[in-house]
Amino acid sequence: DAGVIQSPRHEVTEMGQEVTLRCKPISGHDYLFWYRQTMMRGLELLIYFNNNVPIDDSGMPEDRFSAKMPNASFSTLKIQPSEPRDSAVYFCASSPHPNTEAFFGQGTRLTVV
Amino acid sequence: GESVGLHLPTLSVQEGDNSIINCAYSNSASDYFIWYKQESGKGPQFIIDIRSNMDKRQGQRVTVLLNKTVKHLSLQIAATQPGDSAVYFCAERGSARQLTFGSGTQLTVLP
Repeated sequence: DAGVIQSPRHEVTEMGQEVTLRCKPISGHDYLFWYRQTMMRGLELLIYFNNNVPIDDSGMPEDRFSAKMPNASFSTLKIQPSEPRDSAVYFCASSPHPNTEAFFGQGTRLTVV
Repeated sequence: GESVGLHLPTLSVQEGDNSIINCAYSNSASDYFIWYKQESGKGPQFIIDIRSNMDKRQGQRVTVLLNKTVKHLSLQIAATQPGDSAVYFCAERGSARQLTFGSGTQLTVLP
């Protein structure tokens, strides 16, 4: 398995634009997590899914952020409109069930100018 | 002006020495703990895990110790190598079934 695949690896966008980050979890993993990493706040959980259903989105900063998982092999995190303070590295991770480790993708480095 | 970022604890060790990285966790209900390693430009990578019914677990060159009384976790790396230089995070999983990460420790291996 190629692991968790995220795209793009880098994204530079202008303030106000819509940004969509993509994730393909490891096949067979029922849990998918979106994290954000910044120098200020470290690694923060934004939202996680179980069997494509959002379970906890309490970490989503505000309504500008939304996440979907239309099927078991694909998830998106969308920011609309984007702001400079959204600049961060966004990680997607998946795990087969709650009591095992989560496997992380390589991340998407987002820069909003 | 500049933003003030997290001040990562740092640990510098000589190549070949043993390293001990510590972590205090917050949730007494957490029942599963993981150590991750993150190299520059990469995602966190699993190193070792431990469940709350254990107090020690060993892997290849790594040992995790769990002290539930004081909510403390440690990672011991034997014979530290240059490739061990990275940021190390502990993570705990509580009843909400999600991982909460610590702020990380920067390990630097000196030649």
